[in-house]
Amino acid sequence: QQQVKQSPQSLIVQKGGISIINCAYENTAFDYFPWYQQFPGKGPALLIAIRPDVSEKKEGRFTISFNKSAKQFSLHIMDSQPGDSATYFCAASRHFGNEKLTFGTGTRLTIIP
Amino acid sequence: DSGVTQTPKHLITATGQRVTLRCSPRSGDLSVYWYQQSLDQGLQFLIQYYNGEERAKGNILERFSAQQFPDLHSELNLSSLELGDSALYFCASSPLAGNGGELFFGEGSRLTVL
Repeated sequence: QQQVKQSPQSLIVQKGGISIINCAYENTAFDYFPWYQQFPGKGPALLIAIRPDVSEKKEGRFTISFNKSAKQFSLHIMDSQPGDSATYFCAASRHFGNEKLTFGTGTRLTIIP
Repeated sequence: DSGVTQTPKHLITATGQRVTLRCSPRSGDLSVYWYQQSLDQGLQFLIQYYNGEERAKGNILERFSAQQFPDLHSELNLSSLELGDSALYFCASSPLAGNGGELFFGEGSRLTVL
């Protein structure tokens, strides 16, 4: 089974700090890497996504860094805010293939004042 | 609000029983996906339908089945329920048949099997 390994399982960061969540994948055919954010009682929602033709993508305070040779990608949340407290899932898939998004196991992020 | 509606939100039932979870996709979306979320298991892909036809199958048990109706809503049927089937079941929709696009998730149906 294709896997996406995510760490850490939980993370506590002070307000204003940088939150970093890491993911590693096995299938070199994966070419789409999204991050989903899930608040309690809600479904996951797309936060940001990257394709392997770039090494970094930034949207506001959220940045994906992608290392194709290491088969790793990470989410950086700059100036973390209490409203960022949520569970974050990385995921991966192949654009041309029937395998659907493979999700990591999630990181519960808590931002403390 | 993602525009994806799932019912019921909560369901408690006993082992051996059968339940049906319902999903209405976003207006215009032809693809419906079902995912299972258990503690420490992340989101496991179960099955996808596109415009009424089964498109892809994941880790769906034989006791589970799904279908997508002409009005594009979908139902996930879970039978001979076991304690281990207790989980959050999410439906997601997208306008695409394939990968690489955003999935819009509903708020889930929490199933508790006692």
